[in-house]
Amino acid sequence: DVKVTQSSRYLVKRTGEKVFLECVQDMDHENMFWYRQDPGLGLRLIYFSYDVKMKEKGDIPEGYSVSREKKERFSLILESASTNQTSMYLCASRSRVSGANVLTFGAGSRLTVL
Amino acid sequence: SQQGEEDPQALSIQEGENATMNCSYKTSINNLQWYRQNSGRGLVHLILIRSNEREKHSGRLRVTLDTSKKSSSLLITASRAADTASYFCATDYSGNTPLVFGKGTRLSVIA
Repeated sequence: DVKVTQSSRYLVKRTGEKVFLECVQDMDHENMFWYRQDPGLGLRLIYFSYDVKMKEKGDIPEGYSVSREKKERFSLILESASTNQTSMYLCASRSRVSGANVLTFGAGSRLTVL
Repeated sequence: SQQGEEDPQALSIQEGENATMNCSYKTSINNLQWYRQNSGRGLVHLILIRSNEREKHSGRLRVTLDTSKKSSSLLITASRAADTASYFCATDYSGNTPLVFGKGTRLSVIA
């Protein structure tokens, strides 16, 4: 089975701190994604990457950046954390199943910014 | 936003009953998928239905798709307490763009 691992399940940071959320997948997938999930808003796409060193903005990229130096690792960076970035962050890797794109998600990283 | 909408937002049923969740979307799709999320965890893929399919089954799950109404339904038969979770539909619009998720239906199955 594909495994997507998010290194931190819970983080508490202070306003203005730089935050790194790490995500690693073990199946050589090219496509990886970062979503944030908030009550009443569902999942919203922050950034995605179709290959190493490639990145594309999603629906809500403001305040975030990403890094994809190796195929298996896709990092989400909050350059200067703010309280409105308190959220659940979900990383996913995409594979083809019977000709269709399917996502495998990590367990999530719940970030609290004080 | 192309985000789909699930209906209802929350559903509470007794164990053994059937649970039906609906999803509406806005433009033509390649396929529609349903995912499940246990509390505080990541999402898990359940089932996929293509735009040229009308119904699909997997165990106790039954998915229907009506492309003329741009809507889908997920039916869980003979529900169990372990089915308690949030359920999300996700639409694949072009085959190469990211999936778009709805806001989810929170299902509670009471033993």
